[in-house]
Amino acid sequence: SQKIEQNSEALNIQEGKTATLTCNYTNYSPAYLQWYRQDPGRGPVFLLLIRENEKEKRKERLKVTFDTTLKQSLFHITASQPADSATYLCALFTGGGNKLTFGTGTQLKVEL
Amino acid sequence: DAGVTQSPTHLIKTRGQQVTLRCSPKSGHDTVSWYQQALGQGPQFIFQYYEEEERQRGNFPDRFSGHQFPNYSSELNVNALLLGDSALYLCASSLAPRQNGYTFGSGTRLTVV
Repeated sequence: SQKIEQNSEALNIQEGKTATLTCNYTNYSPAYLQWYRQDPGRGPVFLLLIRENEKEKRKERLKVTFDTTLKQSLFHITASQPADSATYLCALFTGGGNKLTFGTGTQLKVEL
Repeated sequence: DAGVTQSPTHLIKTRGQQVTLRCSPKSGHDTVSWYQQALGQGPQFIFQYYEEEERQRGNFPDRFSGHQFPNYSSELNVNALLLGDSALYLCASSLAPRQNGYTFGSGTRLTVV
């Protein structure tokens, strides 16, 4: 079956450290992968996308990697801050068209 | 520039009733998708509208239906509500979603009692 898996356990890190979140997928061959941030009671906010022919993408303190052989994307936040605390979702375009399928999300808590 | 606007923000309905949720997409966006999000889960795709037609549909029963109007705004209708329909319903809009991602509204929190 097709799955998009993210760490279900919350990730707790200290301020200033690098947070690394993992997204693994099975039985998909996505051409694009996207990452979103979601705060409690709010809708997801688009952060970054990466294409299958791109190994790495950066935006300010954010970095995303995409390994189509391992079927995995890593999402890094460097110099993390308490304001980065949120749930982070990875998403793939699946089944043709523009249907975006989400993983379950990983909750990140950045502590002082 | 207003983003995606959803109404109402909260709603309480009784089992068996019908509900209509509304969405105004971000200005310039022509594609609207609806998602259902249960607590602690990722959003689940319900369906997508483009040019006033349903283009794709997720694994949701026919009780879930929708509409897109000429101004790109959209409605989600759910008939014969079940307790399990209680969730956050999210609307997302985009222009060229593969390149630009989706803009989400803050959602409608539906509680079925």
